[in-house]
Amino acid sequence: DQQVKQNSPSLSVQEGRISILNCDYTNSMFDYFLWYKKYPAEGPTFLISISSIKDKNEDGRFTVFLNKSAKHLSLHIVPSQPGDSAVYFCAALPDGSARQLTFGSGTQLTVLP
Amino acid sequence: EAGVAQSPRYKIIEKRQSVAFWCNPISGHATLYWYQQILGQGPKLLIQFQNNGVVDDSQLPKDRFSAERLKGVDSTLKIQPAKLEDSAVYLCASSSGPNYNSPLHFGNGTRLTVT
Repeated sequence: DQQVKQNSPSLSVQEGRISILNCDYTNSMFDYFLWYKKYPAEGPTFLISISSIKDKNEDGRFTVFLNKSAKHLSLHIVPSQPGDSAVYFCAALPDGSARQLTFGSGTQLTVLP
Repeated sequence: EAGVAQSPRYKIIEKRQSVAFWCNPISGHATLYWYQQILGQGPKLLIQFQNNGVVDDSQLPKDRFSAERLKGVDSTLKIQPAKLEDSAVYLCASSSGPNYNSPLHFGNGTRLTVT
């Protein structure tokens, strides 16, 4: 049972345009959400996060939006750059102290020059 | 600061053999995690340590997998005997604490191929 779903395995966008990566979750106990970025042969690196008490968090070119009623979050990258080409994982944490991050299966973003 | 160190980077073994992976977390990080990432999937938590104690090992296949962090610093993960379905990247991560404002820092992983 996948509790965090990234239904698009891949996404291609033109340099300078907006990239939108989507993520859905089923567990209503999740109350903190994170995006990680992964380059080939490297471990994931933390990108941006959002608490369930917010509906938007912005950091430079990256913005995460959370729609709790729809159990949906998205990551917007504006403008997209070729260096953004990577696999993006959505992850979720439940309420409470245990840090059992549940990851989605990832979306491969390719930014075309 | 130095990142999370893992070794080896790659390992190829035959099924039923044993294998061990090593991880050295970021200095001062009390919390250490082992994740398994199968091709095409997201990382899945195997075990979480807080200092040298186990916090969560509910998804660790304990009949064949074991992990230890004896002195609360570096850690080893062992598989004995290995199965074909254990082929994956094994990621070690650390954080300064088990709370929301201490994100995980991942190592580059060990890619295991079981033939």
